[in-house]
Amino acid sequence: GAGVSQSPSNKVTEKGKDVELRCDPISGHTALYWYRQSLGQGLEFLIYFQGNSAPDKSGLPSDRFSAERTGGSVSTLTIQRTQQEDSAVYLCASSGSSGFANEKLFFGSGTQLSVL
Amino acid sequence: SQQGEEDPQALSIQEGENATMNCSYKTSINNLQWYRQNSGRGLVHLILIRSNEREKHSGRLRVTLDTSKKSSSLLITASRAADTASYFCAALSSGTYKYIFGTGTRLKVLA
Repeated sequence: GAGVSQSPSNKVTEKGKDVELRCDPISGHTALYWYRQSLGQGLEFLIYFQGNSAPDKSGLPSDRFSAERTGGSVSTLTIQRTQQEDSAVYLCASSGSSGFANEKLFFGSGTQLSVL
Repeated sequence: SQQGEEDPQALSIQEGENATMNCSYKTSINNLQWYRQNSGRGLVHLILIRSNEREKHSGRLRVTLDTSKKSSSLLITASRAADTASYFCAALSSGTYKYIFGTGTRLKVLA
């Protein structure tokens, strides 16, 4: 596609339910990032994919969070047993190559997650 | 905290004035980038400066980088109401893939 696409754009869920957030990166981009942004705050790094592999998952806040990427393309971030503190905007970004030295990130519009 | 710091947190100026925002980071870096965010959603890349560069220009944007002080500044000249947004720096730590974002500066340009 022309840009990074995230779905849904908004998600309201009840505490304790599981949610899945989807990211379609720019075609051909090998690197994919998930960030979380709480209201009025900066971006918190969650996880990075190079192809289908996630070299570093240390940014995931707890074991309720998991992510996968298939076919070197679409990525899904899953939050199990959601809590109110999970409410935030979840942003996905992709970049062009494995040579990360001078790549800019292309961001999707994010998923606003609200846990009631 | 893994985040860099930016100041000021908020800045309000008149149209036509210059806006300067500063960013500090904690590690050695490969490059530092600045992004703009409207309405709390997707970020748009503005400019990238490599660790061996000291200054870079793009249109009305001027970025400086001081690796000895681990700091960068973004100057927007002749600001316009349309420049109203939040601005974030993002530092790519050397030898890693991880971009660490600053806490952001909320810029408001009054017409």
